[in-house]
Amino acid sequence: GEDVEQSLFLSVREGDSSVINCTYTDSSSTYLYWYKQEPGAGLQLLTYIFSNMDMKQDQRLTVLLNKKDKHLSLRIADTQTGDSAIYFCAEDRRGNTDKLIFGTGTRLQVFP
Amino acid sequence: DTAVSQTPKYLVTQMGNDKSIKCEQNLGHDTMYWYKQDSKKFLKIMFSYNNKELIINETVPNRFSPKSPDKAHLNLHINSLELGDSAVYFCASSQGGGATRLNTEAFFGQGTRLTVV
Repeated sequence: GEDVEQSLFLSVREGDSSVINCTYTDSSSTYLYWYKQEPGAGLQLLTYIFSNMDMKQDQRLTVLLNKKDKHLSLRIADTQTGDSAIYFCAEDRRGNTDKLIFGTGTRLQVFP
Repeated sequence: DTAVSQTPKYLVTQMGNDKSIKCEQNLGHDTMYWYKQDSKKFLKIMFSYNNKELIINETVPNRFSPKSPDKAHLNLHINSLELGDSAVYFCASSQGGGATRLNTEAFFGQGTRLTVV
């Protein structure tokens, strides 16, 4: 996961917006994903964006993609304590073999 | 109901033992994966199988041997377990395994926490 970079921690107050950033490496990646991992649980797909889009909104989630800078972000509006988890971005790295390459994960802590 | 199921959920074993983790998916997907998540939460792909055929082997020690009896199952066998093998292992599946696939959304199992003592 070292090739896809994320900041390790983010702490926000309940009700505020959270922005989790990710820098990926492969400009040919077709899809980029955000996964959520709650404590002791597996990964849950939150949302994804196709590489020819620059924004996707899904309820409280907004994904922004800057393909030129290979920068992806996830904004969570009105963050709740239930949003506390680790968030992973992932790129779909294509080539002779297709791999989902994960970022290092960002631990989001929401406090009252 | 569970789309991707792994067993066991927890596994504690001594160094040197051989153990297996099983994975089954009922989504009709033709590609399955094993990922390892270490203590720092880094996730790395280990293996990928497409229609029972090994596609990706990410320089994993040959003590790890995946086996896919059919495209709905991908089991992971580990020989001579070492302390450094302690991690959470995730199985996943997705539809498609080549450049023609349109969506690489992968569904993950709940993970198997392996502790080697």
